[in-house]
Parts: sequence; structure tokens; C-alpha cells
Amino acid sequence: QKEVEQNSGPLSVPEGAIASLNCTYSDRGSQSFFWYRQYSGKSPELIMSIYSNGDKEDGRFTAQLNKASQYVSLLIRDSQPSDSATYLCAVLDIHNFNKFYFGSGTKLNVKP
Amino acid sequence: EPEVTQTPSHQVTQMGQEVILRCVPISNHLYFYWYRQILGQKVEFLVSFYNNEISEKSEIFDDQFSVERPDGSNFTLKIRSTKLEDSAMYFCATRLSLGDEKLFFGSGTQLSVL
Repeated sequence: QKEVEQNSGPLSVPEGAIASLNCTYSDRGSQSFFWYRQYSGKSPELIMSIYSNGDKEDGRFTAQLNKASQYVSLLIRDSQPSDSATYLCAVLDIHNFNKFYFGSGTKLNVKP
Repeated sequence: EPEVTQTPSHQVTQMGQEVILRCVPISNHLYFYWYRQILGQKVEFLVSFYNNEISEKSEIFDDQFSVERPDGSNFTLKIRSTKLEDSAMYFCATRLSLGDEKLFFGSGTQLSVL
């Protein structure tokens, strides 16, 4: 059973702070990892993908991957109230490139 | 930006009734998916569809569920005899190719089974 685990939160940070969201996955051979943002009642929207160990930066977002620890994280710098959403971690099944596994998401609240 | 369109946005039905959820994929995308999300829970894979046939389905996708692409544009999910536990948000998602890992999600259909 492939699992993607996230702390459900809520994670509350003040506006302007760094928000740190974490995810662990069970399938050691996984290669492709994704962060989706989901506003309440809306569909998931892809914000970052990462494939190699280390950091990947895109604007205020930084994804970090550590395959040895089976750990993926998302940092949001200069958090804004508009960043308040649920962040879903997703992993592509290496045995079936057709399937993505999603975590249950971490709810982020950015307080003005 | 191209988008995946789903209809209806909300569907209320009585237990035991059949429902059909509709999706119009992005025009050049080849892979289609249905996911569901029970309130407060994970986005769960139901089924993937490629080249007019199911390529993968989950344990949730039992004989009560079916998918088809009847006219080359719409991609439908049918639930033959709905149960209370089918109440969820159903998302259609599409993907250009296996080499492109970006999933585009539709806005979802909220299904309520009474």
C-alpha cells in the first residue's frame, strides 16, 4: 500500500513569515513529486514539481526533496493571506506512470 | 490557459439512483482520470482512461462505476446505483501524455446522495 503522509494542520503563520509544509512517502523508489494548492471547495492546482534531491525554487516557493529520508517539503516565503489553502503532496507511482498518490493535505492559514 | 470542464457543478440524488458526471477534457490531451475527494479526506484515484479504454482502476471503482467517451469529446463517469458513501467531490483530470506529468483538474462535481 503506497502512502503519502502529511500533517493535516492547520498550520498558522503570520503574514510575511515562512511557511514550511512537509510530506513523507512510503515507496522508496519514487522519482516524481508534486505540490498542489487547493482552495476550499476548489480543484487542486499544481504549483511545484521536483525530481532531484535538493532544492528547487520558483518565486516565493521552494520545494525540497530528500530521497534517502523519503521526505519532500514546500517552503513559502513572505507568506500572504492569499496563500491560505490546503497544500497537497502528490507522488507519481513508479510502477505505473499512470497513477498519482495524494496526501490528505496540510491546511495553511496566513494571518494578516 | 486551457481548462477541463465538468458538469454539473452540483448533483443531488436519491440512494439507488443512477448518476452521470460529465467532463470535457483539454482537446489534445490523451490521458483522462477520475478522482474523488470525500470531505476532509484525500484525493483518491478512481480510474484512468487512454485510447478509449480503462488503463487502470482502483478498488473503489467496482461494478457500480463505469466510464466512457461516447462522442470523442465528453468523458463520463456513471454510477449505476448510488450509495450514501458515494457522496464526494468528483474531479476529472487530464494529462497531455505519459511524458508530461502535469495533471489538469476540472472544477469538480459535488455529488450528494440522500
